[in-house]
Amino acid sequence: RKEVEQDPGPFNVPEGATVAFNCTYSNSASQSFFWYRQDCRKEPKLLMSVYSSGNEDGRFTAQLNRASQYISLLIRDSKLSDSATYLCAVTDPGNQGGKLIFGQGTELSVKP
Amino acid sequence: DAGVTQSPTHLIKTRGQQVTLRCSPKSGHDTVSWYQQALGQGPQFIFQYYEEEERQRGNFPDRFSGHQFPNYSSELNVNALLLGDSALYLCASSLVGGGAYEQYFGPGTRLTVT
Repeated sequence: RKEVEQDPGPFNVPEGATVAFNCTYSNSASQSFFWYRQDCRKEPKLLMSVYSSGNEDGRFTAQLNRASQYISLLIRDSKLSDSATYLCAVTDPGNQGGKLIFGQGTELSVKP
Repeated sequence: DAGVTQSPTHLIKTRGQQVTLRCSPKSGHDTVSWYQQALGQGPQFIFQYYEEEERQRGNFPDRFSGHQFPNYSSELNVNALLLGDSALYLCASSLVGGGAYEQYFGPGTRLTVT
């Protein structure tokens, strides 16, 4: 089992749609969770940090379910500019602030 | 506020050669992590440097080595290059001493080994 697994993509949605991505992690001792956005051939950019049960920033909501060991990212009112690959990352339980363990990414394509 | 910078942007090397990649962290950050990202995959952790020491290492062979300088900038060295080393190499900076764990990535160096 992979340490971090994400929904396989791609997700193709129309503008204005609501889309949700899921990410599961294998180590229950993990403490910090992040969502990054990566545009084609660019670097990952930090979208949201999730330290407690969840976090909201405008159209984006991240939720953490420790019992089931998954985090989710919800995007409301999708824009064309939201098209990108979304990466989930989890801190290595043995070393807070150290290694980030990434999922393989979920590609989102928002169509007009 | 200067972000994370990396050099060079692109690099083409031949099998067996050696390469050095450079990274300057975001202003105010003290920690540098290096990741390798193959096409279609998430970044894979190589190692992290803090206070000029390797703080943590991922599952990469000894051909991969690094260094951190007193000004917090860092280098990644890869010896005896293999075709499989072709990837995007990302540097991420963070402020471990501040208790926050967010890592911010530089634009990356795209390495092609022929």
